Amino acid sequence: GAVVSQHPSRVICKSGTSVKIECRSLDFQATTMFWYRQFPKQSLMLMATSNEGSKATYEQGVEKDKFLINHASLTLSTLTVTSAHPEDSSFYICSANPWPSGGNEQFFGPGTRLTVL
Amino acid sequence: KQEVTQIPAALSVPEGENLVLNCSFTDSAIYNLQWFRQDPGKGLTSLLLIQSSQREQTSGRLNASLDKSSGRSTLYIAASQPGDSATYLCAVRTGTSYGKLTFGQGTILTVHP
Repeated sequence: GAVVSQHPSRVICKSGTSVKIECRSLDFQATTMFWYRQFPKQSLMLMATSNEGSKATYEQGVEKDKFLINHASLTLSTLTVTSAHPEDSSFYICSANPWPSGGNEQFFGPGTRLTVL
Repeated sequence: KQEVTQIPAALSVPEGENLVLNCSFTDSAIYNLQWFRQDPGKGLTSLLLIQSSQREQTSGRLNASLDKSSGRSTLYIAASQPGDSATYLCAVRTGTSYGKLTFGQGTILTVHP
């Protein structure tokens, strides 16, 4: 299957700093990527849909100024957590739909564990 | 709003047993349904994808069925092994091919030797 990578896999930062997480589709192009967060022992919650060349679409309750998303190319989307606080500590996972085959199957990255001290 | 429920929340079985994981969804207007496996601290691995027009899909010891009209899917695992221990997530794509995936809470499976 298609491969999605994330970097970094784990990050620890101080409260108030910004953290950037990269999501790359390694062997396919993706016009659409998705960002999820997952709290311990809970399921994935969609945060936003990243669209190449246009603004991201955020889910209700997700602050777009806090979680900045940039999808500058067909293989890369970035999520920046600005002014991170301990409550932002979570597991962040991205996924992508291969283009142009569309949403027949969604592939997920390995996740990024963010810990804010 | 689509809601996805998985039962049971946790399951512990001895090695070799056949088992069934259940997934139900409230809005039957789905595009497809996908079963994933997640190991602790890891991302998701796609197991099976069923299109809305299909009844079932098989891969090795795994078989997933879909009854769209009743809003149900089951994942059948034959001859379970300790390596099958993981969290199994059901996700439903509603609407179009680029619609959102809505996830269930998952079933934590433990297969003991």
